[in-house]
Amino acid sequence: AQSVSQHNHHVILSEAASLELGCNYSYGGTVNLFWYVQYPGQHLQLLLKYFSGDPLVKGIKGFEAEFIKSKFSFNLRKPSVQWSDTAEYFCAVLPQTGANNLFFGTGTRLTVIP
Amino acid sequence: DAGVIQSPRHEVTEMGQEVTLRCKPISGHNSLFWYRQTMMRGLELLIYFNNNVPIDDSGMPEDRFSAKMPNASFSTLKIQPSEPRDSAVYFCASTFGISNQPQHFGDGTRLSIL
Repeated sequence: AQSVSQHNHHVILSEAASLELGCNYSYGGTVNLFWYVQYPGQHLQLLLKYFSGDPLVKGIKGFEAEFIKSKFSFNLRKPSVQWSDTAEYFCAVLPQTGANNLFFGTGTRLTVIP
Repeated sequence: DAGVIQSPRHEVTEMGQEVTLRCKPISGHNSLFWYRQTMMRGLELLIYFNNNVPIDDSGMPEDRFSAKMPNASFSTLKIQPSEPRDSAVYFCASTFGISNQPQHFGDGTRLSIL
């Protein structure tokens, strides 16, 4: 069965620190990959997505993610976090099976201390 | 453009009552998803419609839950009878049916069953 693992449950950083959130998935076929962000009390918003091509994708607000197929990973990075990045971050995988079932990780809560 | 619209934003009701959550997808989208978010289980896909037809309802917890999509612009998720363990945030999302498109989420309905 497909699964998505986010091993960091809660990350606390000071402003200007660099961020990397891990995401690993288990699916042997072709996938599309997403990172969503959920600010406190708000809905999920798409940060970035990978469909094909350059495995390093850039999203909004200075975030980027790198797809490493051999490691089944799609880690999210940001060189310098801001207090406003405090949120919960979800990795999601969409296997290319023709269906549209998006599988989410359990999320990583990021707290940025001013 | 209007995003995915969910109503109500908040609902508090007593156990045993019927609860109906509503969703209006983005115009032109033909896939609609209902998710439930809890602290314990994260985001879970409950059911997925494509062209108003339920495609995968394996995530629906039990027979107390039912979902309908009578037309392309409206869906409901009903819980009858409701129980305290149903308390969660319920999100609706929509996308165009091609499987490599990201899903757009509504603001969610925060449901509390007393």
